Amino acid sequence: DVKVTQSSRYLVKRTGEKVFLECVQDMDHENMFWYRQDPGLGLRLIYFSYDVKMKEKGDIPEGYSVSREKKERFSLILESASTNQTSMYLCASSRITGTGTYTEAFFGQGTRLTVV
Amino acid sequence: DQQVKQNSPSLSVQEGRISILNCDYTNSMFDYFLWYKKYPAEGPTFLISISSIKDKNEDGRFTVFLNKSAKHLSLHIVPSQPGDSAVYFCAAPSYNQGGKLIFGQGTELSVKP
Repeated sequence: DVKVTQSSRYLVKRTGEKVFLECVQDMDHENMFWYRQDPGLGLRLIYFSYDVKMKEKGDIPEGYSVSREKKERFSLILESASTNQTSMYLCASSRITGTGTYTEAFFGQGTRLTVV
Repeated sequence: DQQVKQNSPSLSVQEGRISILNCDYTNSMFDYFLWYKKYPAEGPTFLISISSIKDKNEDGRFTVFLNKSAKHLSLHIVPSQPGDSAVYFCAAPSYNQGGKLIFGQGTELSVKP
């Protein structure tokens, strides 16, 4: 059974704290993604990685960074948490694709982060 | 620039009736589409997909229809059940960006007994 695991289901952090969200997948997938979900905005891509030590900015990378030191692990870092980063954070992984081929992305259970 | 759009934020349907969720896209290069279902406090789970070489794909109670000329797809759920109550997202992969999924805003379906 495929699995993407996020380290925390719920987190409460203070403004200005450095926050680490961890994600591990056991499917040997090359691609890993971090999204955030906000009401009325759908899922927006923060960062993604298609290989170890490789990263690409998504649509809303400001205020975030990522780390991928091992294939199975992708970390999202909030350098200095702010209240507008209160959100549901979702990690996903998928196999690498070429033009005309695709496999679905598998998601973790999500981390509900509240910044106070 | 919202390349995948779900214009109905919510839909309420009676149990046993048909639910129709709609999705529009603007990028004619998209050639594969997926629907995900999401319960509160859980991650999205893959539901059904369709390739642009087809105009219909069916899986049990779920059918997705694709109209390429209109850049429109729809998810039909027949018959709807209370357990189908969730947020549904349509998505399309962007091949030139590692296959990242571009999501619509989501439609919250409520199926009433």
